[in-house]
Amino acid sequence: QVQLVESGGGVVQPGRSLRLSCEASGFSIRSYGMHWVRQAPGKGLEWVSFISHDGSNKYYVDSVKGRFTISRDNSKNTLYLQVNSLRVEDTGMYYCAKDQSEYSNAWYSPFDSWGQGTLVTVSS
Amino acid sequence: DIVLTQSPGTLSLSPGERATLSCRASQSVSSNYLAWYQQKPGQAPRLIYGASSRATGIPDRFSGSGSGTNFTLTISRLEPEDFAVYYCQQYGNSWTFGQGTKVEV
Repeated sequence: QVQLVESGGGVVQPGRSLRLSCEASGFSIRSYGMHWVRQAPGKGLEWVSFISHDGSNKYYVDSVKGRFTISRDNSKNTLYLQVNSLRVEDTGMYYCAKDQSEYSNAWYSPFDSWGQGTLVTVSS
Repeated sequence: DIVLTQSPGTLSLSPGERATLSCRASQSVSSNYLAWYQQKPGQAPRLIYGASSRATGIPDRFSGSGSGTNFTLTISRLEPEDFAVYYCQQYGNSWTFGQGTKVEV
């Protein structure tokens, strides 16, 4: 069955960097657009970033543009999020999620599978 | 950006009762690209309703309706496992989530 497993979170000081990973199994990520969604402690969901199935399109929420970079390695069936210049307000659980529709290059698909998340805590 | 406003913030009901959750968009949602997710404490969100239909494995007591800027998720008869937080999401113009509605006993 479809499984997404995130890793790479941790406790870091403001201004530092992390690389989050999301290893997929049960399907090939090369056929699907993939997302990162975050959730601050006790708060709601916030979409963070999207990469199209072929990597040609990448989108970011305004608050992370220029600091976060989404990428994928289809040969490893793994999604990544490089998070730089971290701020206290970036603290939260980071989930990867899969588009329901195949070969998505932008929006028009809900997210039908989610990982359990990796926790990022930014604190001095 | 499309802003989604969910109401009420908290819905206090008993098992067997009907739950009606509202999601209002700041502008029309393209082609009704509106989804609903359920999240229980300590768990990842789960797709309940999207692409105008229930997701795989979701019981038929869950139904979605609406168009344009007003959408509703209805749970016809609450089961104990339905008490959770529900988020609406639009995916017709980028992606945004509502702030959530907590359905509690």
